[in-house]
Amino acid sequence: AQRVTQPEKLLSVFKGAPVELKCNYSYSGSPELFWYVQYSRQRLQLLLRHISRESIKGFTADLNKGETSFHLKKPFAQEEDSAMYYCALSGSGGSNYKLTFGKGTLLTVNP
Amino acid sequence: DTGVSQDPRHKITKRGQNVTFRCDPISEHNRLYWYRQTLGQGPEFLTYFQNEAQLEKSRLLSDRFSAERPKGSFSTLEIQRTEQGDSAMYLCASSWQGASGNTIYFGEGSWLTVV
Repeated sequence: AQRVTQPEKLLSVFKGAPVELKCNYSYSGSPELFWYVQYSRQRLQLLLRHISRESIKGFTADLNKGETSFHLKKPFAQEEDSAMYYCALSGSGGSNYKLTFGKGTLLTVNP
Repeated sequence: DTGVSQDPRHKITKRGQNVTFRCDPISEHNRLYWYRQTLGQGPEFLTYFQNEAQLEKSRLLSDRFSAERPKGSFSTLEIQRTEQGDSAMYLCASSWQGASGNTIYFGEGSWLTVV
């Protein structure tokens, strides 16, 4: 069974501080990992995916297969980063259609 | 806006009534998904279509739930004899299955409140 765990429901940091949102997963195979973000009153949208190895809005995430983790990091948080963040997992290849989400972490960046 | 659209955005219904939600995916997308989200939880997979074929249904989808995607375009999700436990956000999403991956785009969701 595939499972995604986000241990923090709430995370509050000050503007300019580093931020790390934790994500651990369980999957018997080679998963694809994603971070989705939902800003206030907006739809859920893809922030980044591990296979792209991109940095989006200053966020990065590295897949650590040994620790089964995919933590989201940003060195200097901005107020506009305040949002709900969901880590998600899918299988690869033919089973890449179904996303399993964590429960989400609400990030608040204080001025 | 050419994103995934859902209708209605909000629905309040009495227990025992039937409700239907509609989803219009991004036009060239061949895959369509339904998810459900309750307070404090992430979205949970309900079902998925590849073109007009419904290829998987979650165990969360009881017999009271039915989804269709006629002609491989828009989709409907019907809930019969609604129960209070059906109160949730119903999210539709779509994607194009291609060699470059399968980025899934979500709609804004349809809130259901069963009273």
